[in-house]
Amino acid sequence: RKEVEQDPGPFNVPEGATVAFNCTYSNSASQSFFWYRQDCRKEPKLLMSVYSSGNEDGRFTAQLNRASQYISLLIRDSKLSDSATYLCVVNAAGNNRKLIWGLGTSLAVNP
Amino acid sequence: DAGVTQSPTHLIKTRGQQVTLRCSPKSGHDTVSWYQQALGQGPQFIFQYYEEEERQRGNFPDRFSGHQFPNYSSELNVNALLLGDSALYLCASSMLAGGKETQYFGPGTRLLVL
Repeated sequence: RKEVEQDPGPFNVPEGATVAFNCTYSNSASQSFFWYRQDCRKEPKLLMSVYSSGNEDGRFTAQLNRASQYISLLIRDSKLSDSATYLCVVNAAGNNRKLIWGLGTSLAVNP
Repeated sequence: DAGVTQSPTHLIKTRGQQVTLRCSPKSGHDTVSWYQQALGQGPQFIFQYYEEEERQRGNFPDRFSGHQFPNYSSELNVNALLLGDSALYLCASSMLAGGKETQYFGPGTRLLVL
């Protein structure tokens, strides 16, 4: 099993749709979880840290399910500008400072 | 407050050559991590530096080496370049505070090996 797994997509959704991505991780002791966004040929940019209680930032909601070892990202009222690759990041086994990255999920929001 | 900066932005080399990439972290950050990102892949961790020493290392050969300077800036060196080293090289800076750490990326250096 890969340390961090994501559905690569692509997810094609119309503007205004709600879309959800899941990411599973193998290290049950992981403590740090993040979602990053990466536009084509650009660097990843932090979208959200994911906290145990779940957290929301505007149209974006991140949740952590430790029992099933997955994190999710929900995007409501999708905008064209949300089109990007969304990368799931988890810290490595026994190492809080080393991050393991998923391959990313590609989202295309269509007019 | 300048963010993470990297140089050069693009580089073309031939097989067997050596390359040095540079990174300056965000103000206040003391840790630099280097990643390699091939097309269509997620970033792969190369190594991490803080206090001028390599503290963590991913699964990369010894051809990949680095350095961190007293001002926290860092270099990534790759010797004996292979075609497969063509990728986007990303530098991320961070600092550990209250047990939490978030990495911020520079724009990357796009390396093409011919």
